[in-house]
Amino acid sequence: AQSVTQLGSHVSVSEGALVLLRCNYSSSVPPYLFWYVQYPNQGLQLLLKYTSAATLVKGINGFEAEFKKSETSFHLTKPSAHMSDAAEYFCAVSEMQAGTALIFGKGTTLSVSS
Amino acid sequence: DAGVIQSPRHEVTEMGQEVTLRCKPISGHNSLFWYRQTMMRGLELLIYFNNNVPIDDSGMPEDRFSAKMPNASFSTLKIQPSEPRDSAVYFCASSLGLAGTPYEQYFGPGTRLTVT
Repeated sequence: AQSVTQLGSHVSVSEGALVLLRCNYSSSVPPYLFWYVQYPNQGLQLLLKYTSAATLVKGINGFEAEFKKSETSFHLTKPSAHMSDAAEYFCAVSEMQAGTALIFGKGTTLSVSS
Repeated sequence: DAGVIQSPRHEVTEMGQEVTLRCKPISGHNSLFWYRQTMMRGLELLIYFNNNVPIDDSGMPEDRFSAKMPNASFSTLKIQPSEPRDSAVYFCASSLGLAGTPYEQYFGPGTRLTVT
């Protein structure tokens, strides 16, 4: 069965600092991986997705993630945090070979201080 | 594009009442998903449809919950009777998905349900 673990339910950074949000997955088959962002009182918005085309994936708002099969990880990074990045971030996994459902992690809340 | 449309945005009801949540997916999308989000349990997949057919309803909590998709542009999630523990934000999402080729899901703004 697939699963996603997001390490750290809450991450705090200063404006301009590096953002690193961790995601590890478990899947018996090659996965599709996604990062979504949720701003307060809104639905989830896709940041980026990994579909085996490239291990380093660039997304919106300056975020990127690197797929590391050996570490079963798909960590999300941004070189310089902005106040507007404060939100909840979800990592999700889906099997390539079966259906279209996503399995979401429990989310990481990112706080950015000035 | 209008995006995924959900109604109502907020619903407050008393325990025992029937609640119906509505969703209009993005035109042309053929997969539709219902999720529930709570602080305790996070984001849970309740059920999803492909070409209006329910594919997996294993996440539906119990018989009080039912979902329908009578056509490609409309879906409902019904709770009857509602209970306080059903209080949550319910999201609908849609995607252009083919079997074995997952595409990104587009989420609606959610319906915040409060059962008193």
